Amino acid sequence: AQTVTQSQPEMSVQEAETVTLSCTYDTSESNYYLFWYKQPPSRQMILVIRQEAYKQQNATENRFSVNFQKAAKSFSLKISDSQLGDTAMYFCASLDNDMRFGAGTRLTVKP
Amino acid sequence: DTGVSQNPRHKITKRGQNVTFRCDPISEHNRLYWYRQTLGQGPEFLTYFQNEAQLEKSRLLSDRFSAERPKGSFSTLEIQRTEQGDSAMYLCASSPKGGMSTDTQYFGPGTRLTVL
Repeated sequence: AQTVTQSQPEMSVQEAETVTLSCTYDTSESNYYLFWYKQPPSRQMILVIRQEAYKQQNATENRFSVNFQKAAKSFSLKISDSQLGDTAMYFCASLDNDMRFGAGTRLTVKP
Repeated sequence: DTGVSQNPRHKITKRGQNVTFRCDPISEHNRLYWYRQTLGQGPEFLTYFQNEAQLEKSRLLSDRFSAERPKGSFSTLEIQRTEQGDSAMYLCASSPKGGMSTDTQYFGPGTRLTVL
């Protein structure tokens, strides 16, 4: 069965610093997609970044980048120059035939 | 606002009552998904539609749950004879045309159900 594991329930970072959120996944499919979603307090979930498994190059979106290690089935999210507005729950998700989410990491950016 | 919308945003009901939620996807999206999210957890897949056809249902979707998308636009999720364990946030998402393995899903704000 497809599983997604986020081993860090909570993390904090000082404003302007860099933080990395971890995610591992397990799938038997060769073609799949990986996502990081952000869910701010009492607000809806929004897509942060996505990665196609067949692409070797790590995806980047402004201050957000991923470290995709396909052999290790690892998909970490790096947030550079952290901002107060980055405070949220972050969910890692994988999609092959089904969409599966991890349990989330609560990130707090401190001023 | 052209995003995914859900109504109501909050619903409080007594155990045993029926409830119905509505989701309006982004207009040109042909796929629509329902998820359930409990406190401190990630969303769990319930079901999805391609146009009006319900293509997949999770084992989580007991026979008390039914979802429809009659005209391939908005969708409803009904829970009959609600139980306290049904208390959760119910999320709807939509995605544009394309095979499921290429989807990026856009989420609505959710409907928070509390069963007393």
